[in-house]
Amino acid sequence: AQSVTQLDSQVPVFEEAPVELRCNYSSSVSVYLFWYVQYPNQGLQLLLKYLSGSTLVESINGFEAEFNKSQTSFHLRKPSVHISDTAEYFCAVSEQGGSEKLVFGKGTKLTVNP
Amino acid sequence: GAVVSQHPSRVICKSGTSVKIECRSLDFQATTMFWYRQFPKQSLMLMATSNEGSKATYEQGVEKDKFLINHASLTLSTLTVTSAHPEDSSFYICSARDTGPGNTIYFGEGSWLTVV
Repeated sequence: AQSVTQLDSQVPVFEEAPVELRCNYSSSVSVYLFWYVQYPNQGLQLLLKYLSGSTLVESINGFEAEFNKSQTSFHLRKPSVHISDTAEYFCAVSEQGGSEKLVFGKGTKLTVNP
Repeated sequence: GAVVSQHPSRVICKSGTSVKIECRSLDFQATTMFWYRQFPKQSLMLMATSNEGSKATYEQGVEKDKFLINHASLTLSTLTVTSAHPEDSSFYICSARDTGPGNTIYFGEGSWLTVV
């Protein structure tokens, strides 16, 4: 079974500051890794994913995440945040070659202040 | 990109009644869909895996007779909350896997259920 730990439940930052949202996972098998974003009262949107290949993956809106197998981490970063990045961010894993079920972390609420 | 649509987005029902939530994959076929439940300020908890043409697979602790799942076609799965109670009030989200390039799981917009 897999588990996901998002260490920070809330992260407040000022606009244009850098941010890192931490995600660690536990699994006895190889996994795929995902970051999803949820805006208030909405469903989840895929931000980025790691399936294979380069351990650094990027999204179209400036976020990036790096898969670190030795540290079992998949931290999400952005060098300069905008007010519009305010949302809940969920890290998730699924088992490679498994049932495709996603196991989610508890989420990190990112609040970008002016 | 691929889209998953849920309907209704919000529904209020009386205690004891049943309510159906639909999940559709709009531009791809999904043999497998997933139903999640999210309580306020908490993460998503997988309820069941919906398999086209066969019975759903429920997670431990989820009452299959209360949360009926039907995956009648490759683009539609439904979740019916039977004999709803106020504690069933929650945000329900479905997802579906696009088996095309990228092998991505897409989520619906979610459905708010309020049982009064």
